[in-house]
Amino acid sequence: QVHLVQSGPEVKKSGASVRVSCQASGYPFSSYDINWIRQASGQGLEWIGWMNPHSGNTGYAQRFQGRVTMIRNTSISTAYMELSRLTSDDSAVYYCARGLNSGAFFGYWGQGTLVNVSS
Amino acid sequence: SYEVTQPPSVSVSPGQTATISCSADKLGHKFTSWYQQRPGQPPLLVIYRNDERPSGISERFSGSNSGNTATLTISGAQAMDEADYHCQAWDANTLVFGGGTKLTVL
Repeated sequence: QVHLVQSGPEVKKSGASVRVSCQASGYPFSSYDINWIRQASGQGLEWIGWMNPHSGNTGYAQRFQGRVTMIRNTSISTAYMELSRLTSDDSAVYYCARGLNSGAFFGYWGQGTLVNVSS
Repeated sequence: SYEVTQPPSVSVSPGQTATISCSADKLGHKFTSWYQQRPGQPPLLVIYRNDERPSGISERFSGSNSGNTATLTISGAQAMDEADYHCQAWDANTLVFGGGTKLTVL
């Protein structure tokens, strides 16, 4: 059974960085891209980017370019998303997600990580 | 940037059919997915590749996509269907979500 388990809530100051982890189990970690999506309170979903755990290749949404980094540790089946130069607009629940199969549609989601950025 | 538009809210009476639209330029040329999200929960995939249903999703959920509009249809609406619904498309190496639609069953 596929599981994506994320790290706990974070409280950060403006200007700081945050790293959220996503540990996968129940499938070959390197076989499926991991995507990161966020959702501010009461708002819609916003895609941040993707990472291929096998190659380490990444693709980021334009608005996050230069501020986001996605990496992985294949020995522990864990993906990480780091976002720098935080502002209050970055306060949101951050999700990792995996495709149902080979397509860009997400059948598996982590439980979400709340990131709260205060000034 | 590619923008995808959904109505903020839709209401339906129990047992009736709910339709939620998702509009964007030439959306019918792209694959669209739909997610259901209940409060405090991560999204749940209910439709992918325009009209395919994942295993375990009720046959009451169906999808279509043509022209500039994709549509999620929920037949025989039930109280348990009350949730936010998000459409998603892929354009020029960027994944885009609509703003979400709150479905009320009353």
